[in-house]
Amino acid sequence: EADIYQTPRYLVIGTGKKITLECSQTMGHDKMYWYQQDPGMELHLIHYSYGVNSTEKGDLSSESTVSRIRTEHFPLTLESARPSHTSQYLCASSEHNPGGGYTFGSGTRLTVV
Amino acid sequence: AQTVTQSQPEMSVQEAETVTLSCTYDTSENNYYLFWYKQPPSRQMILVIRQEAYKQQNATENRFSVNFQKAAKSFSLKISDSQLGDTAMYFCAFMYNAGNMLTFGGGTRLMVKP
Repeated sequence: EADIYQTPRYLVIGTGKKITLECSQTMGHDKMYWYQQDPGMELHLIHYSYGVNSTEKGDLSSESTVSRIRTEHFPLTLESARPSHTSQYLCASSEHNPGGGYTFGSGTRLTVV
Repeated sequence: AQTVTQSQPEMSVQEAETVTLSCTYDTSENNYYLFWYKQPPSRQMILVIRQEAYKQQNATENRFSVNFQKAAKSFSLKISDSQLGDTAMYFCAFMYNAGNMLTFGGGTRLMVKP
């Protein structure tokens, strides 16, 4: 079944560690997105990609980086995690045509201690 | 830039009753899409219903329907015969026809009570 997968589901990590949040989709979608969801549940776009080798920063400034080497894979990396990075991170993808909406992954809940 | 406003941070409804969640948006565009997403506790966000702005007929998906008022820039979600499984955060979202970038509202937390 076509879907979008995020790993890990939960992560607790110490300050200063490098981490990579994985996101993969099996739908062949060109467009992929990363959202940060704060405790109040509001969603903030932090990165997006319109295809292989395309990455852009979103509305909310983030110290994370992303890469898009393969269509199906859109990992997010934090070089040095800090407590302020504690949040839920949601990955999503969409078809090229507008209007179909996004398909979301289950999210990664990150806690930096 | 477009904005999406959900004025009800929290709502509750008794099981089997009907509830309406409000959403307003601001745009100068004429062609766009509107969506309602549901995020159950600790679960995946899923698309509930969508509306194309050029269609006057309100979208319906089983117990979920919308009241789309284009002139008023209003897009409310009605849930009929509420079920316990409807307990979730609900997000209203807007997308320009040409942009394919979703803008989300702040969300409404809905609690269905037995």
